Amino acid sequence: SAVISQKPSRDICQRGTSLTIQCQVDSQVTMMFWYRQQPGQSLTLIATANQGSEATYESGFVIDKFPISRPNLTFSTLTVSNMSPEDSSIYLCSTGRNYNEQFFGPGTRLTVL
Amino acid sequence: QKEVEQNSGPLSVPEGAIASLNCTYSDRGSQSFFWYRQYSGKSPELIMSIYSNGDKEDGRFTAQLNKASQYVSLLIRDSQPSDSATYLCAVISSASKIIFGSGTRLSIRP
Repeated sequence: SAVISQKPSRDICQRGTSLTIQCQVDSQVTMMFWYRQQPGQSLTLIATANQGSEATYESGFVIDKFPISRPNLTFSTLTVSNMSPEDSSIYLCSTGRNYNEQFFGPGTRLTVL
Repeated sequence: QKEVEQNSGPLSVPEGAIASLNCTYSDRGSQSFFWYRQYSGKSPELIMSIYSNGDKEDGRFTAQLNKASQYVSLLIRDSQPSDSATYLCAVISSASKIIFGSGTRLSIRP
């Protein structure tokens, strides 16, 4: 399985600002995924990031709010834009063969005041 | 009806006993099923995958799939305190979407 790191591990932000989360994988992977896990809840897929193409967003998530970059096969970023307290969550990146057998990064714990 | 349902628990099991975790899903066309373990404050880690009806064993873990009844279960034999965690069931739907259940908290009491 790939080793995945995320930066920052946690942050406290003011409403209206934006935060970019970085995800680095130690090997080249075709598909990377971004999830959100709100307190006490399960994982919700935000989008799939493929290198060389636009990210594919799930229902309820839009590019203006969660722009994603995937400049190469080992790196991706997720930006949480114009944040509100409802965006407080843990954001996780992952890799996997399609959606099968996902391997997750350590997560970024975001608190929006 | 939730797409993937799990009892939130907590499920309390004595050390050494068998822990049985259950998951039901609504999409009859789902093809792939997974169990993830998530320790408090950590990210989920894959522990079992199962794709066809029947049992699949890996060490102390056994996954069971019954597509006709639309349930998948995870058995943990000889439960250890280190098994205390939240267990997430995940399903790949017929639309090729991954859907996670809300998880079952398992507590192994010494």
